Amino acid sequence: DQQVKQNSPSLSVQEGRISILNCDYTNSMFDYFLWYKKYPAEGPTFLISISSIKDKNEDGRFTVFLNKSAKHLSLHIVPSQPGDSAVYFCAASADLQGAQKLVFGQGTRLTINP
Amino acid sequence: DVKVTQSSRYLVKRTGEKVFLECVQDMDHENMFWYRQDPGLGLRLIYFSYDVKMKEKGDIPEGYSVSREKKERFSLILESASTNQTSMYLCASRRSGTATGANVLTFGAGSRLTVL
Repeated sequence: DQQVKQNSPSLSVQEGRISILNCDYTNSMFDYFLWYKKYPAEGPTFLISISSIKDKNEDGRFTVFLNKSAKHLSLHIVPSQPGDSAVYFCAASADLQGAQKLVFGQGTRLTINP
Repeated sequence: DVKVTQSSRYLVKRTGEKVFLECVQDMDHENMFWYRQDPGLGLRLIYFSYDVKMKEKGDIPEGYSVSREKKERFSLILESASTNQTSMYLCASRRSGTATGANVLTFGAGSRLTVL
């Protein structure tokens, strides 16, 4: 069962506009959420995170929003830049089965068009 | 610059071969992980280790084993490689604890394995 879902495999946005990537989760035990960015032939790199006690976290052009009642989080990138073109993974963390584990979504490929 | 290093970036193996994927981290992290990444499936956890000589199964451990003899090194072993194990393998590490940032995984660059 997919506990973390990214339902959009791909997203195309014009440079300078806002990119919104979405993520849904099913396990109410998740208490920490992260976004990772991945370029081809490289490992994922950490982008931004949010604790379940918050509903928003901002870092420069990146903002993550968490809606616990809907079990939904989103990543906003504004303004979008060509270097933002990558695959974005959301991940959720909880003390599952006695160990802290990160569960990842399927990823969304973001393409920023000049 | 702290890092996670995966020794082999690209490997091509034949069905039935034994395959070793090596991972070393220099951050003195207690926890280490092996994931595989496949299109449309995201990152799936194979095995993880929270201490030397300790290992736990992840979500897809079948066909794999691991070894953690030293804190900095975590090896993934495919006892008898099969074509459905063709994938990108990602090693990651993380420190223990509940302090801010303890949940953040640091990944290696990945090892792309092709099994013919």
